[in-house]
Amino acid sequence: ELKVEQNPLFLSMQEEKNYTIYCNYSTTSDRLYWYRQDPGKSLESLFVLLSNGAVKQEGRLMASLDTKARLSTLHITAAVHDLSATYFCAVDHTSGTYKYIFGTGTRLKVLA
Amino acid sequence: NAGVTQTPKFRVLKTGQSMTLLCAQDMNHEYMYWYRQDPGMGLRLIHYSVGEGTTAKGEVPDGYNVSRLKKQNFLLGLESAAPSQTSVYFCASSTTLWEQYFGPGTRLTVT
Repeated sequence: ELKVEQNPLFLSMQEEKNYTIYCNYSTTSDRLYWYRQDPGKSLESLFVLLSNGAVKQEGRLMASLDTKARLSTLHITAAVHDLSATYFCAVDHTSGTYKYIFGTGTRLKVLA
Repeated sequence: NAGVTQTPKFRVLKTGQSMTLLCAQDMNHEYMYWYRQDPGMGLRLIHYSVGEGTTAKGEVPDGYNVSRLKKQNFLLGLESAAPSQTSVYFCASSTTLWEQYFGPGTRLTVT
């Protein structure tokens, strides 16, 4: 059975601290996506990772992809309150099908 | 550009009633998707389309039907609503490899 697992599911952290969210998947997909969702809102794209070893950075967030390990990480540097949201990773069910499977999400709360 | 729009934003149905959710995009995207989001479950793909006139089943297709008669529109139908279909429904669109753009969502309650 296909699985896309994120951990932790909940993360409460202090401002200015660093932390990493993990996304493990069981497909052979070579691309992975990260999205952010604020409470009661829709999803917005953060990163598109299209190959093994891909690394993308935007502000305090950095995402990487290791297709051999079937693992992606979303690293948060010096967290600020505005980063509080739920973060989802998503992969192809089967590479090239565009049948996307989402992880269950990581709810991040940054405490002032 | 309006991006991805969904109609309606809210709806309450009685068990057994039918309805259609409309998704429209103005970005000329080939691919369109319907998801449902339930608390603690993330997003689950219901149906998707890789082009005008095509549809395919996702993870949880039972109880839903879809049509993509025009490239810019993707309709999701519930023929006989059940309480288990109470959820928030999101539509999304994308080009080939790139990220999906999501609509604002439709909150559906089935009583």
